[in-house]
Amino acid sequence: EAGVVQSPRYKIIEKKQPVAFWCNPISGHNTLYWYRQNLGQGPELLIRYENEEAVDDSQLPKDRFSAERLKGVDSTLKIQPAELGDSAVYLCASSGGGQRYNEQFFGPGTRLTVL
Amino acid sequence: GNSVTQMEGPVTLSEEAFLTINCTYTATGYPSLFWYVQYPGEGLQLLLKATKADDKGSNKGFEATYRKETTSFHLEKGSVQVSDSAVYFCALPSGAGSYQLTFGKGTKLSVIP
Repeated sequence: EAGVVQSPRYKIIEKKQPVAFWCNPISGHNTLYWYRQNLGQGPELLIRYENEEAVDDSQLPKDRFSAERLKGVDSTLKIQPAELGDSAVYLCASSGGGQRYNEQFFGPGTRLTVL
Repeated sequence: GNSVTQMEGPVTLSEEAFLTINCTYTATGYPSLFWYVQYPGEGLQLLLKATKADDKGSNKGFEATYRKETTSFHLEKGSVQVSDSAVYFCALPSGAGSYQLTFGKGTKLSVIP
């Protein structure tokens, strides 16, 4: 079974530039999460999707961040414009339903560096 | 809301040494508890979990027991290997519906030959 796929793995941009990250969850997983992990910290949730609906985006900085999951499978997270403080690892995770809904499977992440 | 406090690192051990990484939690009710591991350059992987009080999760020689009396979920391994070098995160569900995971800050373990 393929795991969560993310691309790109690394991205270096200058501040004020836009950037986008892509995620393909595990097949059949309806729930998709985007987390941000700052250096030396644990991941923090940005947004959660149930199928194509964003059911929890309370921690997403909506002035510059946006996300979409148009067909309930792949998802894209965008930052426009990027700031120096956005440098972090952006992790995508997915989970199935039923009793194991808390068990989240993570992708390798995209390491963003904003110069 | 639910939260975890995790022992700060880094922790450096010699191969075959005993490992303990402390984790305590604050929660409403008795949520599932998790340990995730992050190897260099990789995403987080679920290491083990416990779903109710007194449960013991185990995997790859690691163990953790869900202790409601002390609100703890300490990670242990009897004999660490160089390949165990990684960052370890304690986590529990939080937020509306408990779908979100709240993580500790992570403990970096380095095992030297």
